[in-house]
Amino acid sequence: KNQVEQSPQSLIILEGKNCTLQCNYTVSPFSNLRWYKQDTGRGPVSLTIMTFSENTKSNGRYTATLDADTKQSSLHITASQLSDSASYICVVRRGSTLGRLYFGRGTQLTVWP
Amino acid sequence: DAGVTQSPTHLIKTRGQQVTLRCSPKSGHDTVSWYQQALGQGPQFIFQYYEEEERQRGNFPDRFSGHQFPNYSSELNVNALLLGDSALYLCASSLEWETREETQYFGPGTRLLVL
Repeated sequence: KNQVEQSPQSLIILEGKNCTLQCNYTVSPFSNLRWYKQDTGRGPVSLTIMTFSENTKSNGRYTATLDADTKQSSLHITASQLSDSASYICVVRRGSTLGRLYFGRGTQLTVWP
Repeated sequence: DAGVTQSPTHLIKTRGQQVTLRCSPKSGHDTVSWYQQALGQGPQFIFQYYEEEERQRGNFPDRFSGHQFPNYSSELNVNALLLGDSALYLCASSLEWETREETQYFGPGTRLLVL
C-alpha cells in the first residue's frame, strides 16, 4: 500500500533552536519527494523537491535529505523563527512525473519566543 | 502575475445541499488538481483536470464532480453534502509537460462547513 508517514505529529521548540522532521514512505515506484510548508488556513507552499538521485537539497534555513534506499526523508530547520510555525507536509509522487501524489498528514511545528 | 485564486474563501452549507467551488490557476498553467484537507490531516487528492477533461481521480464518490473551462479555470461541485464534507478544499495548478522541477502551486483554499 502506498503511504507516507510523518513524525512527530507535533513539535514545540524555542526560537533560535534547530529541529528535524521525519518522513517515511512506501510509495512505489518513486518519482520525487517534496516538502511543503502550510500556514494555518492557507494553501501549502513548496520548500524543496528531490528526485531519486538527489540526497540533499537546501532552501535557506531549510535542508531536506533523502535516502531512497531506506525510503526516508528529513527536513532540518536551522535557527528557527516564529514565522516557521506551520504544518510541514511530506509529499511523494508515484511513478512518472505525472503520477499521483501521496501526502503525509504533516508535522505541526510551533516556535515559541 | 496572480497566483492560484479560489472563491469563496469560506462557505457554510447544510446537509443535503449542493456547493460549487471555483479556482483560477496560476497564469500560464493548464492543469488543475483539487484536494480535500480535513482538520489536522494532509490533503487528499480528489481529481485532476487537463484540457477540460478529468484525467485522474482519487477515492471520492460521484457526489464530487468537476469541470475545467477553456481558460483553464475549474469548478468543484459537491452534491448531497454530508457533515464529513466539512474541510478545506485546495486547488493546485501546474503545467502538464514534464520537468524535473515541476511544482504544483496551491491556492489559499475554500473553507467549507456543513451543518
